[in-house]
Amino acid sequence: QVQLVQSGAEVKKPGSSVRVSCRTYRGIFSNYGITWVRQAPGHGLEWMGGTIPIFGKANYAQKFQGRVTITADESTGTAYMILSNLKSDDTAVYYCARSRTGTRDFDYWGQGTLVTVSS
Amino acid sequence: QSALTQPASVSGSPGQSITISCTGASSDVGNYDLVSWYQQHPGKAPKLMIYEDNKRPSGVSDRFSGSKSGNTASLTISGLQAEDEGDYYCCSYAGSSTWVFGGGTRLTVL
Repeated sequence: QVQLVQSGAEVKKPGSSVRVSCRTYRGIFSNYGITWVRQAPGHGLEWMGGTIPIFGKANYAQKFQGRVTITADESTGTAYMILSNLKSDDTAVYYCARSRTGTRDFDYWGQGTLVTVSS
Repeated sequence: QSALTQPASVSGSPGQSITISCTGASSDVGNYDLVSWYQQHPGKAPKLMIYEDNKRPSGVSDRFSGSKSGNTASLTISGLQAEDEGDYYCCSYAGSSTWVFGGGTRLTVL
């Protein structure tokens, strides 16, 4: 059974950064990627970016370019998402998901991490 | 990278069929046979229901089916059941390792 386990909830001040981790299994990046999706309260899913290490660097949605960094530790099968210069409307649940390289979909998801941005 | 367009809500009675549309552009939905659909229940992570426009993952009921014509994809649920109630999202590959989601559709089983 594939499991993606994310780090716990965070409360951050505006202007700061947050790092969310997504622990999977060793070897995942040989065949799959990890994508990050967020969901603001009462809103829909929003693709932020993802990494497919066998294809090279991470890719990001235009909206988040310059503010988000996604990395993968291939030795531990853990992915990280750093979002900087946080604003109040970054308050959301952040999900990681395993992305399949051939079918370009997301077949397993983490449990979600609530990030609250408040002064 | 504009969001795909879905109706905000649909509803149906148990046993009926409903269809949710998802309209994109020739750069995403119309350019790749790579539309996927996700079901989300309140407070839960999304679940993959359809991939590559019309394929079902193992374990997903055959009451769920997907189709596509041009820039519009559709998800049909037949024989509606109470457990189908929730939010549904379409997602399309948009090239260069980027994706775009639809705004989501709330399904109510009456």
